[in-house]
Amino acid sequence: QQPVQSPQAVILREGEDAVINCSSSKALYSVHWYRQKHGEAPVFLMILLKGGEQKGHEKISASFNEKKQQSSLYLTASQLSYSGTYFCGTEEDKAAGNKLTFGGGTRVLVKP
Amino acid sequence: DSGVTQTPKHLITATGQRVTLRCSPRSGDLSVYWYQQSLDQGLQFLIQYYNGEERAKGNILERFSAQQFPDLHSELNLSSLELGDSALYFCASSLTGRGTDTQYFGPGTRLTVL
Repeated sequence: QQPVQSPQAVILREGEDAVINCSSSKALYSVHWYRQKHGEAPVFLMILLKGGEQKGHEKISASFNEKKQQSSLYLTASQLSYSGTYFCGTEEDKAAGNKLTFGGGTRVLVKP
Repeated sequence: DSGVTQTPKHLITATGQRVTLRCSPRSGDLSVYWYQQSLDQGLQFLIQYYNGEERAKGNILERFSAQQFPDLHSELNLSSLELGDSALYFCASSLTGRGTDTQYFGPGTRLTVL
């Protein structure tokens, strides 16, 4: 079942903060976050694993609440380059390879 | 540039036809994934291969098939094409195919079925 992302869209001014949520009705093993600009490939941002381990490549933070099966992505002091659509991909079963189910996406527009 | 290559970049074909999309993973990656992205369905996982073997299957139609070759490149075959198959098809690769892996996406193939 597809995870639910909220909000569907957000408009920010440069320097403002935003939070994107990703919720699942199923127990999750990991949550992967990607950003996609129009017409381009999704670019990896972060993995959050059950147990609290967090792996990322950019100065964007995230959390994973195992009790709620919810992950949140924090865009802090947003930059123009943060504009794009953010997707969370969830994995339910550690043994099932790396099959990700993606949410519907959150469109972020950062204005000067 | 993720290091994953996909060809062709664009493909325009007619209903009923068959096409093959090709993907070369990043150097050293053993696992390949295929995704379909359309406006109404979002980003959908199709299938995963690891070192030549099918590892996981998603919402892949029976008209679609894929394989991973000994040199680790992969092909996605789409047959009896319908208008609704028009979409962006992404290939991604990862090192081991496990849940802790980062999946790196290729630039995609845009398929238009007329």
